Amino acid sequence: AQSVTQLGSHVSVSEGALVLLRCNYSSSVPPYLFWYVQYPNQGLQLLLKYTSAATLVKGINGFEAEFKKSETSFHLTKPSAHMSDAAEYFCAVSLYQAGTALIFGKGTTLSVSS
Amino acid sequence: DARVTQTPRHKVTEMGQEVTMRCQPILGHNTVFWYRQTMMQGLELLAYFRNRAPLDDSGMPKDRFSAEMPDATLATLKIQPSEPRDSAVYFCASEGGQTTGELFFGEGSRLTVL
Repeated sequence: AQSVTQLGSHVSVSEGALVLLRCNYSSSVPPYLFWYVQYPNQGLQLLLKYTSAATLVKGINGFEAEFKKSETSFHLTKPSAHMSDAAEYFCAVSLYQAGTALIFGKGTTLSVSS
Repeated sequence: DARVTQTPRHKVTEMGQEVTMRCQPILGHNTVFWYRQTMMQGLELLAYFRNRAPLDDSGMPKDRFSAEMPDATLATLKIQPSEPRDSAVYFCASEGGQTTGELFFGEGSRLTVL
């Protein structure tokens, strides 16, 4: 069975500071991995995805994530936080094929202070 | 622009009443998902369809929940009878074409059962 664990339900950073949101996965087959963002009262929006190509994946809004098989991790980073980054972030895993349901982590709420 | 449309956005009902939520997936997307989001459980997969056929509905309480796709432009999720523990935000998402794993989410239907 596949699963993801997001370490830390809440992360607080200052504007301009590094953002690091942690995600570890469990999968018996090579996984697809994703980060989604959810702004208040909205649906989820894809930030980036790993599909077995480059291990360092760049996404929208300056976010990137690195797939580390040895650590079974897919942590999300951004060098400099902006106030508009405040949202809930979800890591997700799926099987290596299209049209398969995503299994989401519990989410991490990112707060950004000025 | 293409988007997943969900109705109603908000629904308040009394325990025992029937609730129907509707979803219009993005035109041409052949896979449709229903997720439920609560504070306690996070995002839970309820069911999903490919080419209108149900692939997995193991996440749904079978005695009261039902999901259907009467046609390619409409997915429905019905709860009968509703209970207070069903209060949640229900998301529909669709996926298709070559965007493997990129689910496009609607804005959700917020259900409150009194």
